[in-house]
Amino acid sequence: DVKVTQSSRYLVKRTGEKVFLECVQDMDHENMFWYRQDPGLGLRLIYFSYDVKMKEKGDIPEGYSVSREKKERFSLILESASTNQTSMYLCASSSHLYGTYEQYFGPGTRLTVT
Amino acid sequence: KNQVEQSPQSLIILEGKNCTLQCNYTVSPFSNLRWYKQDTGRGPVSLTIMTFSENTKSNGRYTATLDADTKQSSLHITASQLSDSASYICVVNTGFQKLVFGTGTRLLVSP
Repeated sequence: DVKVTQSSRYLVKRTGEKVFLECVQDMDHENMFWYRQDPGLGLRLIYFSYDVKMKEKGDIPEGYSVSREKKERFSLILESASTNQTSMYLCASSSHLYGTYEQYFGPGTRLTVT
Repeated sequence: KNQVEQSPQSLIILEGKNCTLQCNYTVSPFSNLRWYKQDTGRGPVSLTIMTFSENTKSNGRYTATLDADTKQSSLHITASQLSDSASYICVVNTGFQKLVFGTGTRLLVSP
């Protein structure tokens, strides 16, 4: 079974803090994704990575950066957290970018910025 | 603009009853369509993936249909159980794992 784990289920941070969200997958997948999920908006792609040290912007990259130093680990960084970044953050991984390959999701991190 | 619309937004049914959730999409290009189940506070879990040429796909009590001509899909749940209470999300893959997500239907199965 594919396992995608995220470092925290719940996180509370203050405005202006630097925030790190960590994601680890154990299936040797090339591709990893970061999404945020807000009520009434569905999941939106922030960034994805198709290889170590490679990254591509998604639909809403502003205010975020990512790091992929190892194949199994993909980090999302909020350089200076703001209240509008309060959201559920979901990490996913996939073995291939094309075709009907699954994206496997982690359990999510609910981030509150006060 | 690529869009995936789901209806209804929410639904309450009695345990043991059937229900059908709807998905309309205006997405181009189209690679495949997925249905995910998301329990409260959890990540989505895939139920089915259908390509352009597939009309129906089943996964246990879940049956998804796809009409690529009308750009509509449905998810039918048979003999509902309390554990079916969740959000069901319709997702269209435009290729290159670029997914367009619907906002989901929240289903509550009542005893």
